[in-house]
Amino acid sequence: GDSVTQMEGPVTLSEEAFLTINCTYTATGYPSLFWYVQYPGEGLQLLLKATKADDKGSNKGFEATYRKETTSFHLEKGSVQVSDSAVYFCAGGSGGSYIPTFGRGTSLIVHP
Amino acid sequence: NAGVTQTPKFQVLKTGQSMTLQCAQDMNHNSMYWYRQDPGMGLRLIYYSASEGTTDKGEVPNGYNVSRLNKREFSLRLESAAPSQTSVYFCAIRGASTDTQYFGPGTRLTVL
Repeated sequence: GDSVTQMEGPVTLSEEAFLTINCTYTATGYPSLFWYVQYPGEGLQLLLKATKADDKGSNKGFEATYRKETTSFHLEKGSVQVSDSAVYFCAGGSGGSYIPTFGRGTSLIVHP
Repeated sequence: NAGVTQTPKFQVLKTGQSMTLQCAQDMNHNSMYWYRQDPGMGLRLIYYSASEGTTDKGEVPNGYNVSRLNKREFSLRLESAAPSQTSVYFCAIRGASTDTQYFGPGTRLTVL
C-alpha cells in the first residue's frame, strides 16, 4: 500500500535559520502531495500542496517541490520564525475513494 | 478549521462508559472522516464516509461505530470505552472537486 515517510523530530532551530523537513512517498500511482501544519491545541490545516510531478507548492514562505524521480516532497523555508513552531505532516492521496496517507509528523521548535 | 465543528472539546470517561463524538460541517462536502492522533503515531483513520448513507472502515475501526446522519453530520460512538482509546479525535471533510481535507479542532478524550 501507499506510505509516507518523514523525518523524525523534534527539529530545533534558531530564529532566521533555514528549515528542511524531508518527506518521501511510496505509491502505485502519482498521488497529490500535501504538507499540513498543526499548531498547539488545534486541528491540521493545509500549508501547501502539489498535484503533479515538478509542481511547486508554496505558502507563507514555505515551499515544496514534487520530485517524481526521487519520490520526494521536502518542505523548506529560508528563514523560520518563532511563530512557525508547530507539527508538520506530509501526506499523499489519490483515487476515487480518496484515503490519504499521513506521515507521523515532525515537531518544529524555533527559539528566539 | 472554519466549517468543521466538533463537540465536545474535552471529555473524561471511565472504562466501560459510552459516548458519542459529534462532527458537523457547513461546507456541503460529501466526504467525511474520523481520525485519531496519538503521540508518535501520526493520524490513523478510524472510519470514513464517502457520501451520505455510506460508511467504511479505516485502519483502526475496532471499538468504534459511526453514523452519517445526513450530509452535514458524522458521529463517532464508543460503546464501551477502554484506556487504549485515550487520544485526540479529529473529524475531517473533503469536497468532490478537491483533494484537500479540512479538519475540525479536535476532541481530547481521556479514558480512566
